[in-house]
Amino acid sequence: AQTVTQSQPEMSVQEAETVTLSCTYDTSESDYYLFWYKQPPSRQMILVIRQEAYKQQNATENRFSVNFQKAAKSFSLKISDSQLGDAAMYFCAYRSPTIQGAQKLVFGQGTRLTINP
Amino acid sequence: GAVVSQHPSRVICKSGTSVKIECRSLDFQATTMFWYRQFPKQSLMLMATSNEGSKATYEQGVEKDKFLINHASLTLSTLTVTSAHPEDSSFYICSARRLGGEKLFFGSGTQLSVL
Repeated sequence: AQTVTQSQPEMSVQEAETVTLSCTYDTSESDYYLFWYKQPPSRQMILVIRQEAYKQQNATENRFSVNFQKAAKSFSLKISDSQLGDAAMYFCAYRSPTIQGAQKLVFGQGTRLTINP
Repeated sequence: GAVVSQHPSRVICKSGTSVKIECRSLDFQATTMFWYRQFPKQSLMLMATSNEGSKATYEQGVEKDKFLINHASLTLSTLTVTSAHPEDSSFYICSARRLGGEKLFFGSGTQLSVL
């Protein structure tokens, strides 16, 4: 079974600075998808960024980018120019592409990000 | 964008009663819906996968007679917590996959408190 590990329960960063959230995963599959989700105090899950394992290029969405290291099974999220609205719980997630996997998401434990003004 | 509506957002019930939570895809057809449970300050744990017109697939350790899932149409899945007990108190979240699509869309969640 796939597992996702986020080793940083909490992180804090100064507004406008850059922060990196770590995520590692374990899988025997060669093709899969990785995601970062944001859960603000409203508890609504919001997709931040997604990476296909077959793509070598790191995904980027505005101020959010990932460092995907397939061999190391590492998938970190970098947030540049941090804003107060970025404060939230961040979850790393894995999804199998196989039919048996039914596209279910396996989540990491989460990292609570605080932005200091 | 696609919208998933989850209702109710918050429910308080007495121990021993049953509670039904609805998950609706408002502007798309969802062949598959997922039900997650989230304890305070913890991650989301998948409870079951619900496919329209067929029985739900439950994750290991989830009691299917306790958590009844019905996916009777392409826009509605329901989770019924039967004979609820205080330990069932949790935040329940659904997500839906659009027919023919890959993205998952999440509901806003239901906070269940069992007294």
